[in-house]
Amino acid sequence: EVQLVQSGGGLVQPGGSLRLSCAVSGFTFSDHYMDWVRQAPGKGLEWVGRTKYKAENYRTEYAASVKDRFTISRDDSKNSLYLQMNSLKTEDTAMYYCIKCSGPYSAFEIWGQGTMVTVSS
Amino acid sequence: DIQMTQSPSTLSASVGDRVTITCRASQSISNNLAWYQQKPGIAPKLLIYKASTLESGVPSRFSGSGSGTQFTLTISSLQPDDLATYYCQQCHSYSLTFGGGTKVEI
Repeated sequence: EVQLVQSGGGLVQPGGSLRLSCAVSGFTFSDHYMDWVRQAPGKGLEWVGRTKYKAENYRTEYAASVKDRFTISRDDSKNSLYLQMNSLKTEDTAMYYCIKCSGPYSAFEIWGQGTMVTVSS
Repeated sequence: DIQMTQSPSTLSASVGDRVTITCRASQSISNNLAWYQQKPGIAPKLLIYKASTLESGVPSRFSGSGSGTQFTLTISSLQPDDLATYYCQQCHSYSLTFGGGTKVEI
């Protein structure tokens, strides 16, 4: 069974940092793209970024709203995905989801349970 | 970025109704479109990918069609369990983008 278990959310002050984690099981992690999507309270879905699979050297892509502040990484030896969030703003407050994706042009197949990030003073 | 415009934003229907949600892309995305269902307090779930392919385990009353810039999600006979918000998403080019969502009320 495919599982994505998220951790690391919480309350942080504006300008602060936070790292989210996503532990995966049930599939060959290195053969899949992995994405992050967020959802502000009461709002729609916003793609945050992705890390591609091993065959594409784990290259990353980011939404303009988080580029240069957020960094996506992965550790295939631990079957884990990470989202390092720096210089956080109040508008980054959202539920963050990690997602399994097969590859280019593929849909978001399996979603984690989500972890809440609140940026507030 | 490619803009995805969904309509309607809210839809009220009765059990057994045929329901159609539309999604328009600001430029051609071929068939690189997915539909998701999100129930309150739960992560979204993939319903349809490649515009018209039903994800395994999804009831056959859901169907998708379209290519290029115009897409539709159809629920052939609305059920109480279909109360949810539905999102389209283009998987064609970065930045990957979602429609604004359609809330289906029963």
